[in-house]
Amino acid sequence: EAQVTQNPRYLITVTGKKLTVTCSQNMNHEYMSWYRQDPGLGLRQIYYSMNVEVTDKGDVPEGYKVSRKEKRNFPLILESPSPNQTSLYFCASSSLSAGKESPLHFGNGTRLTVT
Amino acid sequence: EDQVTQSPEALRLQEGESSSLNCSYTVSGLRGLFWYRQDPGKGPEFLFTLYSAGEEKEKERLKATLTKKESFLHITAPKPEDSATYLCAVISNFGNEKLTFGTGTRLTIIP
Repeated sequence: EAQVTQNPRYLITVTGKKLTVTCSQNMNHEYMSWYRQDPGLGLRQIYYSMNVEVTDKGDVPEGYKVSRKEKRNFPLILESPSPNQTSLYFCASSSLSAGKESPLHFGNGTRLTVT
Repeated sequence: EDQVTQSPEALRLQEGESSSLNCSYTVSGLRGLFWYRQDPGKGPEFLFTLYSAGEEKEKERLKATLTKKESFLHITAPKPEDSATYLCAVISNFGNEKLTFGTGTRLTIIP
């Protein structure tokens, strides 16, 4: 089954404790992206990647890091989480080579709470 | 900067009562407008892509239309299982493949 898999689904942590949220897709998509979703603000892009070893900042990159060492994986790293990073996070992927706009496929989200 | 505004924020309908959701957008050269459905606790699920004014797409009880400034998602004779948040997003000709999302319309269909 074609899917984007995020782990964990739920995460509670304390300020300053480094964490990683994993994301993996099995559709051979070139493009991957991280979004955060907050009430009243909608989905905002954090980082994106056009292909292996190619990453760039989205609208709200402060406090986050990413890497793209393999095509299928795009982990999100919070080196020193703070309470304002409490949010619902989504990983998404799409094909850049499929002609007309290939839609984003989303994972089921990671709910992060930083205390 | 690309902007997407959705209205209403929330909508409650009786089963079978048709209505429309609105998505107004401002974008530097529209490359595509997307509609997604999001159920509680899940990621957005793709519904439609529209590319140019006048275009329409249909899927079961849903029909999406597009003008130069807005898109409508028409829901005909909705059922309780159509209850969800509906998200609109745009992608421009300029930039990084980024989708700019609206904040969504939370639709509730009452049996």
